Amino acid sequence: GAGVSQTPSNKVTEKGKYVELRCDPISGHTALYWYRQSLGQGPEFLIYFQGTGAADDSGLPNDRFFAVRPEGSVSTLKIQRTERGDSAVYLCASSPWTGSGELFFGEGSRLTVL
Amino acid sequence: TQLLEQSPQFLSIQEGENLTVYCNSSSVFSSLQWYRQEPGEGPVLLVTVVTGGEVKKLKRLTFQFGDARKDSSLHITAAQPGDTGLYLCAGNVGGGSNYKLTFGKGTLLTVNP
Repeated sequence: GAGVSQTPSNKVTEKGKYVELRCDPISGHTALYWYRQSLGQGPEFLIYFQGTGAADDSGLPNDRFFAVRPEGSVSTLKIQRTERGDSAVYLCASSPWTGSGELFFGEGSRLTVL
Repeated sequence: TQLLEQSPQFLSIQEGENLTVYCNSSSVFSSLQWYRQEPGEGPVLLVTVVTGGEVKKLKRLTFQFGDARKDSSLHITAAQPGDTGLYLCAGNVGGGSNYKLTFGKGTLLTVNP
């Protein structure tokens, strides 16, 4: 597809379970970002990749959160031992290069932890 | 800590009216962006402002960056129902790279036919 693709669009899980959220960026975009948007809030930065490496993971809330981008394209955000407070929309964005000035966002993955 | 304050939080107007929404901060931003987000979708970039005092127009939308680069406004002329959405401002404090944006909570605009 032409845009950023995120799967699943909706995920309902139970407290304590493990969750993976996938992001397929726009082809050729080298920079990839994960943001989290809670109800009534703006997106909050989690982590940023330039190529395969995490250039900045300072926004990850704790060590239950981890993200990878092994081949410099698709990225997976992994959440261990989910908590109810993790419920939010997880947004992925890509841009042609760092500092290009425009982020292209996907539709997000809505995570609900019961 | 919420670096960017947006006001009003909610705004409901009739089609054809004009409106202005604001984005304020105590921090200086190297650049500031405005996004619009519709329900169930990700934010879509409307504009980037970089220079203090800069004014940019996008059809019926006018964006202004404050002289001190701490605040911005978005003015919509003759609003239409298609303008309905969440308007988010986002600033880059660090300079250079735009990757680590700080977003405000947004202004939820409803334009009634």
